[in-house]
Amino acid sequence: AQSVSQHNHHVILSEAASLELGCNYSYGGTVNLFWYVQYPGQHLQLLLKYFSGDPLVKGIKGFEAEFIKSKFSFNLRKPSVQWSDTAEYFCAVITSKNQGGKLIFGQGTELSVKP
Amino acid sequence: KAGVTQTPRYLIKTRGQQVTLSCSPISGHRSVSWYQQTPGQGLQFLFEYFSETQRNKGNFPGRFSGRQFSNSRSEMNVSTLELGDSALYLCASSLGLAAGDTQYFGPGTRLTVL
Repeated sequence: AQSVSQHNHHVILSEAASLELGCNYSYGGTVNLFWYVQYPGQHLQLLLKYFSGDPLVKGIKGFEAEFIKSKFSFNLRKPSVQWSDTAEYFCAVITSKNQGGKLIFGQGTELSVKP
Repeated sequence: KAGVTQTPRYLIKTRGQQVTLSCSPISGHRSVSWYQQTPGQGLQFLFEYFSETQRNKGNFPGRFSGRQFSNSRSEMNVSTLELGDSALYLCASSLGLAAGDTQYFGPGTRLTVL
């Protein structure tokens, strides 16, 4: 079955620390990969996405992610986090098997940034 | 452009009742997907409608159904409510033309079943 796994459920960092959130998916075919963020009290919004081409993808607010096909991974990174990055982060995939708008989400990682 | 809107924002129902949730997509978007978000199960895909046709379906019982109208607005219905149906129901819209089209999410409808 297709699935997405996020390794960390809750991450606590101090401001200016570097961030890396892990994401692995299980599907051997073509995938489109996404990271969404949900700030407290707000709705899900797209951080970045990968379709094809350069496996290093840059998104909003200084976030980036790297697609490593051999590892089935799409980890999210930010070199220096801010208090305003406190939120829940979701990795998601659309596979070539599903087409259309069926996003398969990971369980989410809650990020708390201490000022 | 106006974002995705969902009504109502909050609902309280009792077991056995049925409920209808509504979603208005971004203008020009033809695809609407529905998701259920709970603390235990996370975000789970319910179904997707594109041009009034169900294009994808998740693993939910038949009590969960939906439809899409010619103006792309979508409704989701849950019949014979159970306590476990308490959740945040999100809808997302996209152009729907390619698998990787960005989905834009609404604020959700918080359903509480007593």
